Amino acid sequence: DAGITQSPRHKVTETGTPVTLRCHQTENHRYMYWYRQDPGHGLRLIHYSYGVKDTDKGEVSDGYSVSRSKTEDFLLTLESATSSQTSVYFCAISPSQGQETQYFGPGTRLLVL
Amino acid sequence: QKEVEQNSGPLSVPEGAIASLNCTYSDRGSQSFFWYRQYSGKSPELIMFIYSNGDKEDGRFTAQLNKASQYVSLLIRDSQPSDSATYLCAVSSGTYKYIFGTGTRLKVLA
Repeated sequence: DAGITQSPRHKVTETGTPVTLRCHQTENHRYMYWYRQDPGHGLRLIHYSYGVKDTDKGEVSDGYSVSRSKTEDFLLTLESATSSQTSVYFCAISPSQGQETQYFGPGTRLLVL
Repeated sequence: QKEVEQNSGPLSVPEGAIASLNCTYSDRGSQSFFWYRQYSGKSPELIMFIYSNGDKEDGRFTAQLNKASQYVSLLIRDSQPSDSATYLCAVSSGTYKYIFGTGTRLKVLA
């Protein structure tokens, strides 16, 4: 299994509070991704990173920000959580863009009350 | 408009039968195609990837790609109850962008 961990694995928070999810990899892969998975929508890309300090938006980036200060860590922040951000969040890594597979972390279940 | 389409299922097959899962995509520039298996409450795990037209076999799994018709399929031979899961099709055009289908739920009946 690819060395990817996510923390926390489960979180319950209240509307309006900031939340940060962490993705940590030990594979030294260049590309890192954050997805959310919701019933009926499949996996949707929130943000991705193509190197340290290099990030870009995905299809559902509103309300989310990211940071990558080290190769191994990719943080996803919900600045002010809303109930619509209740979801399962997956981090993924890839050694290159598009040509090779992505490897997924175990996921974080987030409930915003 | 969805870019990667899958029948949500459930697709039910008896144990030992062949399960056939299909996926269509809209971007003709797509270059890489992936099948992931996802058990309930778990993360997606890669089963197969295919880049060229034709068939690619790996054990009980065969991926089939037809770029002219814009579809990719996954065949599972000798289906086992442990194959019961949701199967996600993903497509990449060679950039950062991987587009996922919503998945097909497979149930293998013992």
